[in-house]
Parts: sequence; structure tokens; C-alpha cells
Amino acid sequence: GAGVSQTPSNKVTEKGKYVELRCDPISGHTALYWYRQSLGQGPEFLIYFQGTGAADDSGLPNDRFFAVRPEGSVSTLKIQRTERGDSAVYLCASSRGLANGGELFFGEGSRLTVL
Amino acid sequence: DQQVKQNSPSLSVQEGRISILNCDYTNSMFDYFLWYKKYPAEGPTFLISISSIKDKNEDGRFTVFLNKSAKHLSLHIVPSQPGDSAVYFCAASEGNTDKLIFGTGTRLQVFP
Repeated sequence: GAGVSQTPSNKVTEKGKYVELRCDPISGHTALYWYRQSLGQGPEFLIYFQGTGAADDSGLPNDRFFAVRPEGSVSTLKIQRTERGDSAVYLCASSRGLANGGELFFGEGSRLTVL
Repeated sequence: DQQVKQNSPSLSVQEGRISILNCDYTNSMFDYFLWYKKYPAEGPTFLISISSIKDKNEDGRFTVFLNKSAKHLSLHIVPSQPGDSAVYFCAASEGNTDKLIFGTGTRLQVFP
């Protein structure tokens, strides 16, 4: 498809387990973003890639969270030792990387539930 | 520290009337503002934006107004339609980045 694709759409896991969430951005988009949306809140910035490198990872809550984008396209968000508070919808977005007004295109999100 | 605030969690408007959604921000370095619309089980979709060099931007039924001195922006939808029922997020960015800071959203319901 032409949009941002995220898998899995739903993930239920147990506390302490490891989780990977995948994002396939729009072809040709150089910038990729991960956001987290908890119930009743707006999307919260986690990390931003420009090409293969993390340009800004200031939103990652702690060192259990890590993201990669090895070839400048697909990205994986990795969460170690999951906690119940990690339960949220994880949104991925991509853009052409134009500063100051480049529209972000969001995927449908991956809903993570940690039991 | 909530840099972008939407103080009304919900708004109910009759079809055909004007919907006004409000947003306040605290960071004076923000220079680009956007509104996103979100339906259940979908990602947010871009609606309209405004640069800090302007005070108004219009696109069909949607108009965004920016008051820099008050650090306030608003989205006007007129006439409102039932299909406009969704959660609306205000977002802002600063400088040389597309990193967006979002508000908590306002749920708009347009009833017949």
C-alpha cells in the first residue's frame, strides 16, 4: 500500500517480556518518527530518524526502549522487560524530512497491552 | 510540562453550525502549528497548518487562526458536518525540525 504500515496491529504480552514493533514508512520518505499514545492523551514523541541515524531520541522514556532503522527505510521499536505502564498505542509516522512544516503521515498504530 | 494544551476534552455541535476548537501553547519558539484529525482505530491525519508568519489560513470549511501574542490558536469548522465527528489534535513544531508536540485532543461530536 501507499501509506505507513505498522505491524503487529495488536500485541498482548506479559510483564517482563521483550517486544518488537515494526514500521514500514512511505517510500521515499527520509524522516521517520515514533510516538506513543496513552488513553486520553495526545501522541507523545519518542524518537525521530533522519535516514539511518536517530536525529533526536529525547522522548525515549528509559533505556528499556530502543529503535533502529538500519537501511533508512523500515524501523523497529524494541522494548525490553516490558511493564504494565508501557501499554499504549505506538504510532509511527514518516515525512519527506522538510523542516518547518513537513506533514507527518501516520500509520494506524500498534496497540501494546502488557498484562 | 504540557507545552501544547487543549483545555476542552469534548465539544458537541449541531450540524450546520460552527465548531471552534481551541489550543494554547507555552513555548514561544514554536513557529509552525498543525491540526490533525483522528478517527477510532486509525492514525491521525493532517488537516490544516499555519506558519507563525501568518495569522490565518483557510482551506474550504476549515480555518485556523493564530494569535502569537496570546500563544493561542483555534480551528473553525463551518458548516459542521456529522463526518467531522472525531478527535482533533493541535500540534506544534519549532525551528529546523518536523518533530511535533501534540495537545491532548478535543473530541468533537456533530449531531444532526
